[in-house]
Amino acid sequence: KAGVTQTPRYLIKTRGQQVTLSCSPISGHRSVSWYQQTPGQGLQFLFEYFSETQRNKGNFPGRFSGRQFSNSRSEMNVSTLELGDSALYLCASGDRGLNTEAFFGQGTRLTVV
Amino acid sequence: AQSVSQHNHHVILSEAASLELGCNYSYGGTVNLFWYVQYPGQHLQLLLKYFSGDPLVKGIKGFEAEFIKSKFSFNLRKPSVQWSDTAEYFCAVILTGGGNKLTFGTGTQLKVEL
Repeated sequence: KAGVTQTPRYLIKTRGQQVTLSCSPISGHRSVSWYQQTPGQGLQFLFEYFSETQRNKGNFPGRFSGRQFSNSRSEMNVSTLELGDSALYLCASGDRGLNTEAFFGQGTRLTVV
Repeated sequence: AQSVSQHNHHVILSEAASLELGCNYSYGGTVNLFWYVQYPGQHLQLLLKYFSGDPLVKGIKGFEAEFIKSKFSFNLRKPSVQWSDTAEYFCAVILTGGGNKLTFGTGTQLKVEL
C-alpha cells in the first residue's frame, strides 16, 4: 500500500505570493489533516477534512485554507505569504473516521524569502 | 484548550541505558494518546497508542508507555536504547470524538551515543 504522498517536497516562494500544496492520502482513507512544523512552535494543527468537509480547524489566519476532493486528495493554500510561513507542512491521513491513527507524509518544505 | 507538555527537550544517553520520556496533558475529558517518532530525514511514524483498556501499552521497537489517568501522564519507556533510536519523539493527544485533531507536545530530541 502506498503511503501518504505530498507534493512538491520543496518550495521557495517570495513574500506576498501564494502557494498550493498537495496531499494524496493512503488509498481508502477519507480523513486528511494538515500540520505546520517549525522549530519555534513545533507541530501545530491547521485543519482536517473528512469526506470533502472541513471537520476541524486550528488557530491560523484566514490566509491558510484547504479543500478536499471526492477522491480524498487534499490541497492546502496559503495566500499573501509571510516570512513566518516558512515551515515544514505535513499531511496526515486516517481511516474509519474519528480518532484513528494518523499516517504522515514526508512533508513539503516551504521557504519564503 | 488542551495542551501537551514534554519535560525533556534534549536527552543524551549511552547505548543500553534505559529511557523514560515524560508527557503530561491538560484536559479533563476522555482522550486518546499517542507517541510518534521522527527519525532524521524521515516522516513521523507511530510508536504506540492508547485508546482504552490496559494502561500499559506496547509499541514497536521495544517501546512501551503507561497511561496514568490520575496524573494526566503518558510516559514513554524503553529498557535498553540503541544508537538507531536517535530521533525526535512527540507525544500527542486527541480529544475523543473531536475528530482527528492531534495536539502535539514540543518534542524530545534523543541522541544515543555508542
